Order: sequence, then C-alpha cells, then structure tokens
Amino acid sequence: GQNIDQPTEMTATEGAIVQINCTYQTSGFNGLFWYQQHAGEAPTFLSYNVLDGLEEKGRFSSFLSRSKGYSYLLLKELQMKDSASYLCAGFDRGSTLGRLYFGRGTQLTVWP
Amino acid sequence: DTEVTQTPKHLVMGMTNKKSLKCEQHMGHRAMYWYKQKAKKPPELMFVYSYEKLSINESVPSRFSPECPNSSLLNLHLHALQPEDSALYLCASSLQVGAMGNTIYFGEGSWLTVV
Repeated sequence: GQNIDQPTEMTATEGAIVQINCTYQTSGFNGLFWYQQHAGEAPTFLSYNVLDGLEEKGRFSSFLSRSKGYSYLLLKELQMKDSASYLCAGFDRGSTLGRLYFGRGTQLTVWP
Repeated sequence: DTEVTQTPKHLVMGMTNKKSLKCEQHMGHRAMYWYKQKAKKPPELMFVYSYEKLSINESVPSRFSPECPNSSLLNLHLHALQPEDSALYLCASSLQVGAMGNTIYFGEGSWLTVV
C-alpha cells in the first residue's frame, strides 16, 4: 500500500531556496505528483515524476528516486505568494485503478 | 485549457435537505473524481468514474450518491447529511484512469456546511 510522509511545516525567507522532502513506501507505484494548495482553494498541479531524476519548471523543480522511495520539490527565488501547502501525492496504478494517495501536506510560510 | 468547473462554490444545507454538487470539464477527459477535504487534511478519494461508469467507491456512506450523466458532467447528490460531512468537496478529472503520466486536475471545490 501507500505510506507517504512529508514534513508538516517549513519556513523560509523571500528570495531563498527551499527543499520539501517526501518519502514513500509503496508497491505498484507509478509516479509522484506535487500539488500546491493555497488556503481555501483547490490543489493546483505543479509537477509529475515517473522516472528517476530531476524535472525543472521555472522556479520549481521536482526530483524522484524510485529505489530510495524519495522525492523532493525545490522552490527557488521564493516569493510571498509561494506561501501555501505543498502536497506530495503518489500514483498507484496497480490493482487499484489509479488511486492518487496524498501526503498530509507541508505548510510553507515565506517571510519578507 | 485545464479547467474543471464546480457549482455551487458554497452550500449550506440542513440535515433533512436534498442538494447536489455539480462538476463539468470540457477537456475530453474520461476519468472523473470526487474528493473530500477537511481543514488541514489532505484530500481523500470518494469516487472514481471511468468512461462514465463508477469504478471506485471508497466505502462512502449512501447519503452521498454520485452520478455521471455524460463524459463531461459529474454530480454528487446529497441527502440526510450530518454536520461532520461539512468539508470542501473537490471534483477532478484526468485523461484516463490508471495511465502513466496521467495528471489529475482539480476544480475550485464546493464548500459544504451542514447545519
């Protein structure tokens, strides 16, 4: 099954770089998503990794190591608007018809 | 266009009421989902529809009744809800269920309060 773990809270200052880690234990695992969710809003898609390595999208990058059950989301040049919850989600294609399992989310606060 | 539209955005209903949440997407996606999210918790999967057929029901109480009238629409019918059912209800869609690289896109959600 899926067991996804990520830190509950992180803080950083504007302009800095922050790395949010996510670890998982799963069988039949087929990729990992990162979503951003501002308070009171729906999750918005940030990135998806299915193969090992780094995916870069502007200020956001995501890394996956399947052998280590490990992923991270890297946010560069932090802005105040990046204050949000960041959800790591594993996609289990196995016999469960593609359930997306969410971690509890990491609440990031960016200070000026 | 990666838009999933949900209505209403806010709903207050009594425990004896019958109401519905609606969801629409025009991206040609054949998989649609209902998630429930409580404050400071991650979204929890409720139902999955694949090609307009219910493929996953995560043991959701029968007071929640999903319906998929066509490939673009997904409804969630609500009846005899309890105050603990108050939450953000998220609709989502993806190209297919179970396909690699299958990004799931969420609507803005419907805030439900049961009084």
